[in-house]
Amino acid sequence: GENVEQHPSTLSVQEGDSAVIKCTYSDSASNYFPWYKQELGKGPQLIIDIRSNVGEKKDQRIAVTLNKTAKHFSLHITETQPEDSAVYFCAASRGGAGNMLTFGGGTRLMVKP
Amino acid sequence: NAGVTQTPKFQVLKTGQSMTLQCAQDMNHNSMYWYRQDPGMGLRLIYYSASEGTTDKGEVPNGYNVSRLNKREFSLRLESAAPSQTSVYFCASKRGTGSDHGYTFGSGTRLTVV
Repeated sequence: GENVEQHPSTLSVQEGDSAVIKCTYSDSASNYFPWYKQELGKGPQLIIDIRSNVGEKKDQRIAVTLNKTAKHFSLHITETQPEDSAVYFCAASRGGAGNMLTFGGGTRLMVKP
Repeated sequence: NAGVTQTPKFQVLKTGQSMTLQCAQDMNHNSMYWYRQDPGMGLRLIYYSASEGTTDKGEVPNGYNVSRLNKREFSLRLESAAPSQTSVYFCASKRGTGSDHGYTFGSGTRLTVV
């Protein structure tokens, strides 16, 4: 089955700096790669996703890049703010009727004011 | 618009006790999922239901059973709780068709087995 590895497990940045979180996946048939943000005491929320026919996608301060050949994808957050502090999860899926997502281990991002 | 609702939010069980975690969604989604979240291990799939009337095992199904009661509801049952089942449990749902692959998660059930 799919295996997703995520690095780093913790990341501390100064407010205004950029943050980058990287994930690798093992199943070359995976074609959907979402990122989730989980705030304390809440469930994960989808913040951005990318499909395998696209190399990069941006949404305001958030961007995701995908390298299918190397089987890795990354989340980039620019101009970080204290409210960006949370745990971020990457995931990968083949799609299909059940569309099971396999998640990475998570990255705790701390943005220092 | 409630999304995915999980009950209870917190529960403490003694080893050997049983309980059912409830999940309901009001988005008319076809697929529903149960994940557990342990520190440093991300979210691991326990069981899923691709559509009403079907259920399948995920990565870590041992010690659990599920019921897809109807399109809205998907429950997770622990027949004889063990300390290893101490975790935070999340239910999620997805439309299941077309290009919409995003999950909607509930707010979780924090379970402690003593």
